[in-house]
Amino acid sequence: GDQVEQSPSALSLHEGTGSALRCNFTTTMRAVQWFRKNSRGSLINLFYLASGTKENGRLKSAFDSKERYSTLHIRDAQLEDSGTYFCAAGRGLSGKLTFGEGTQVTVIS
Amino acid sequence: GGIITQTPKFLIGQEGQKLTLKCQQNFNHDTMYWYRQDSGKGLRLIYYSITENDLQKGDLSEGYDASREKKSSFSLTVTSAQKNEMAVFLCASSIGGEEVFFGKGTRLTVV
Repeated sequence: GDQVEQSPSALSLHEGTGSALRCNFTTTMRAVQWFRKNSRGSLINLFYLASGTKENGRLKSAFDSKERYSTLHIRDAQLEDSGTYFCAAGRGLSGKLTFGEGTQVTVIS
Repeated sequence: GGIITQTPKFLIGQEGQKLTLKCQQNFNHDTMYWYRQDSGKGLRLIYYSITENDLQKGDLSEGYDASREKKSSFSLTVTSAQKNEMAVFLCASSIGGEEVFFGKGTRLTVV
């Protein structure tokens, strides 16, 4: 079936620095979403992309359907950015999502 | 905006018990989903429904039933709870293939 390979599985960042998370897809995906799981276990929507790039504050995401990947960049990391980040992508119009296994991000002071 | 409400938040069941989880959404979305999350893993799709009374199996449907009683509600039944099972069940909704929104989850523990 469809697979989403998310990397890295864990990431430590010093406050004020930045890094990137990446998801590779085994097939052509129609759209991608990025989520952050907060301390209470809720999935917070970060981005929905059908193509191109989007930016929101210190987060920026890109999606290339043809090259089968998506990235999430964090810049100027803050302590509240800590959490588990998931990418998820779908092929069809049903909205079914295949999830990556998550990236555990820890921001340290 | 809207909200997805899942009940109960916590569910403790006994081995072999039939357990039902409920989900309501007020987005007026046509499609609803049930996902399961195991510790340290991504979410896996159990069932989804594209309209009232529709049901489609996901990758993990064995051991579960679902029911889309009306557009705003989608329930999931664990047909026979497995001992030591622990997982979070997440309900979600969307308009077709557009952005998917999730509820806060039901945490299941089977003793």
